[in-house]
Amino acid sequence: DAMVIQNPRYQVTQFGKPVTLSCSQTLNHNVMYWYQQKSSQAPKLLFHYYDKDFNNEADTPDNFQSRRPNTSFCFLDIRSPGLGDAAMYLCATSKGQGDTDTQYFGPGTRLTVL
Amino acid sequence: GQNIDQPTEMTATEGAIVQINCTYQTSGFNGLFWYQQHAGEAPTFLSYNVLDGLEEKGRFSSFLSRSKGYSYLLLKELQMKDSASYLCAVRDSNYQLIWGAGTKLIIKP
Repeated sequence: DAMVIQNPRYQVTQFGKPVTLSCSQTLNHNVMYWYQQKSSQAPKLLFHYYDKDFNNEADTPDNFQSRRPNTSFCFLDIRSPGLGDAAMYLCATSKGQGDTDTQYFGPGTRLTVL
Repeated sequence: GQNIDQPTEMTATEGAIVQINCTYQTSGFNGLFWYQQHAGEAPTFLSYNVLDGLEEKGRFSSFLSRSKGYSYLLLKELQMKDSASYLCAVRDSNYQLIWGAGTKLIIKP
């Protein structure tokens, strides 16, 4: 089945220790997104790629970086995690960004910062 | 600013019908989405509306009124597995999704 995969599902890191979250997709979608979601809050878009074209949200902290080495994979790097970065990180994909393009989500990675 | 409003929490009884409302103020409109999110899991797509009216999909229906900036998600014949958060999201004129915080639906036997 075509899908969006995220690894790991649960990640524990220490305050200030860099961490990388990964996302892969078999949908062959052009667009990949990274969201941060805290408990009972709306998902917050961090950045997205349209093919190799990177789009950073204005309020995404510099502490967050992303890489998309090919169509299938996208990584989220948190350079120096703080306690406030503990959250669910959701990867999503869409075929395009047109009217009918729907975003499909991976299962998420829950990040704990000690 | 852009804003999506949904009730924080609703309670309903198994077998009943519930309507979850969503109002929005966004810069432009290019469609409205409803997603279901079980606790600790990712959102899953439920429905999409871009024209006014009702879209029916099995037990779930979604309604849109663009002139009123209003949508609702109607769930019929509620089952315990429908206990989840329901998120409303609007695509704005820049084709960015603006998300609501979600409505937590609690189903009681």
